Amino acid sequence: EIVLTQSPSTLSLSPGERATLSCRASQSVSSYYLAWYQQKPGQAPRLLIYGASIRATGIADRFSGSGSGTDFTLTISRLEPEDFAVYYCARSPTFGPGTKVDIK
Amino acid sequence: QVQLQESGPGLVKPSETLSLTCSVSGYSISSGNYWGWIRQPPGKGLEWIGNIFHGGKTTYNPSLTSRVTISADSSKNQFSLRLNSVTAADTAVYYCVRDVRSYYYYMDVWGKGTTVTVSS
Repeated sequence: EIVLTQSPSTLSLSPGERATLSCRASQSVSSYYLAWYQQKPGQAPRLLIYGASIRATGIADRFSGSGSGTDFTLTISRLEPEDFAVYYCARSPTFGPGTKVDIK
Repeated sequence: QVQLQESGPGLVKPSETLSLTCSVSGYSISSGNYWGWIRQPPGKGLEWIGNIFHGGKTTYNPSLTSRVTISADSSKNQFSLRLNSVTAADTAVYYCVRDVRSYYYYMDVWGKGTTVTVSS
């Protein structure tokens, strides 16, 4: 069973700053199967990235994904107020524990 | 536009059965893809419960497999979740999802979620 670890658990940043979120798998994961989701309070998760680096429909280009093997990264180039949320990586059907991006 | 909507009781007694239905619009579940259930206990992360393929094949989380049944009704374009012998640990928001597993794997359409509380 693949276990996903995300770091940091919380990231405190200001609007306009760059956010770098890490997802590490306990064994090698095909990039085709690695996705990122955003969840805001009281809302369902939303697909951001699939195939490790492909933005889902309607996702802003400030969101980018990269990585391969066991190490993957979600980068938000410049944080907008609506980006403060929890982010989950996933290798279907397993989810990581999430990284909360909150306002500094 | 594909939309999913969960429905079912918001309160279930301990030891009883939790039953939820997901109604799908904008896409026929018979056309393909997997259809699944995810849950999120209060203040916690996401847990995959299981899924069903349009042909009826089901896969469940090993930690829940003894208590879970997922079924589909193509005539109603719905799929359902049954979870037996519930306890307080099953209290969660339950989401239904379209679970794409082709060249890429991802869950691209989510219902809004329904809160289920297990309490007497």
